[in-house]
Amino acid sequence: GESVGLHLPTLSVQEGDNSIINCAYSNSASDYFIWYKQESGKGPQFIIDIRSNMDKRQGQRVTVLLNKTVKHLSLQIAATQPGDSAVYFCAENIRGNKLVFGAGTILRVKS
Amino acid sequence: DSGVTQTPKHLITATGQRVTLRCSPRSGDLSVYWYQQSLDQGLQFLIQYYNGEERAKGNILERFSAQQFPDLHSELNLSSLELGDSALYFCASSVQGAANYGYTFGSGTRLTVV
Repeated sequence: GESVGLHLPTLSVQEGDNSIINCAYSNSASDYFIWYKQESGKGPQFIIDIRSNMDKRQGQRVTVLLNKTVKHLSLQIAATQPGDSAVYFCAENIRGNKLVFGAGTILRVKS
Repeated sequence: DSGVTQTPKHLITATGQRVTLRCSPRSGDLSVYWYQQSLDQGLQFLIQYYNGEERAKGNILERFSAQQFPDLHSELNLSSLELGDSALYFCASSVQGAANYGYTFGSGTRLTVV
């Protein structure tokens, strides 16, 4: 079935520390994954994506890791800043037409 | 500004009423997706249009309908509204009909049914 879930609903980190947000997906046919960030009152904003033929992709201060063996996706944020406080969603694409979103993880950055 | 425009930003209406939410996709994008976001359900896919035609359908109630016009803007119609329809409604767009290049989301319409 279609199911993308998150292990931790809320993550609190100290400013400057690294954050790791995890996501489990259930469909082994998923071939594309995205992380979105949603700030209060705004729409989800694209952070980084990865295709199933890769296991790691890096952006500016963010890294996405994909482990297809255990169907696990993670988002690493380096040197977390107060502006990183938001809800983070992973999403998977199964054969093209739509993205299926996970429940979301709240990231709180303590100053 | 993501380039995806949704109007209105806020809408308050009574139960039993009908409302129309509007979305203009990013310039050049042919696909429009509608999602509902409520506190206990997360982002739920409703429906997708590509170049004027319905492409995929999700958990969209029969009371809800959508269309995409020749200029590619889309409207989501919600009728016989119930309290449980209160939610954020997001529109997203993508260049192609497939989602495997990601979406760009609008800022949403907050619907409150009283």
